[in-house]
Amino acid sequence: QQQVRQSPQSLTVWEGETTILNCSYEDSTFDYFPWYRQFPGKSPALLIAISLVSNKKEDGRFTIFFNKREKKLSLHITDSQPGDSATYFCAASKAGNTRKLIFGLGTTLQVQP
Amino acid sequence: GPKVLQIPSHQIIDMGQMVTLNCDPVSNHLYFYWYKQILGQQMEFLVNFYNGKVMEKSKLFKDQFSVERPDGSYFTLKIQPTALEDSAVYFCASSLTGGNTGQLYFGEGSKLTVL
Repeated sequence: QQQVRQSPQSLTVWEGETTILNCSYEDSTFDYFPWYRQFPGKSPALLIAISLVSNKKEDGRFTIFFNKREKKLSLHITDSQPGDSATYFCAASKAGNTRKLIFGLGTTLQVQP
Repeated sequence: GPKVLQIPSHQIIDMGQMVTLNCDPVSNHLYFYWYKQILGQQMEFLVNFYNGKVMEKSKLFKDQFSVERPDGSYFTLKIQPTALEDSAVYFCASSLTGGNTGQLYFGEGSKLTVL
């Protein structure tokens, strides 16, 4: 059973559009939600993260919106660029001494010029 | 930025053989992890390792799996003997601190094919 769900599975947008990637989770004890981006053949890299104390986290063109009541997050990418084409993973973890991340299946984004 | 190196990038072996996957973590990092990704599925946590010990392992970390980092050299994942269901991409990661926030740095993965 997926503890972290992502939608859509894949997405194609035009350059300049806003991309919205969705993530939801079940476990109410999760309190930290990083998004990782992975280019083909490369390692996943941390893009942006949010914790339970925030409703929104912004970093340049990337913004996470967090609806705690519904256990839903979304990653918005404004002014999407062809260089943003990658797979985006939502992940979740619980407070504690270990960094056990629970990953979603990912959303593969293609930005067309 | 900081890089985690994994060797080999791809290995093909026969079922029942032993395999060792090597990871060179970021130099000053103290916490080390292995994740497993079967094609088309999500990355799943296998194990984390700190100060010479396994801190936590998942049910995917079978008895045939072991990890070690002798004398600050490579952080290794050994599978002995291998099974068909071990075919996957194995990602190593490292972090400077423990706790559940902060950044994990991942390698590019070692693709293991068990025939």
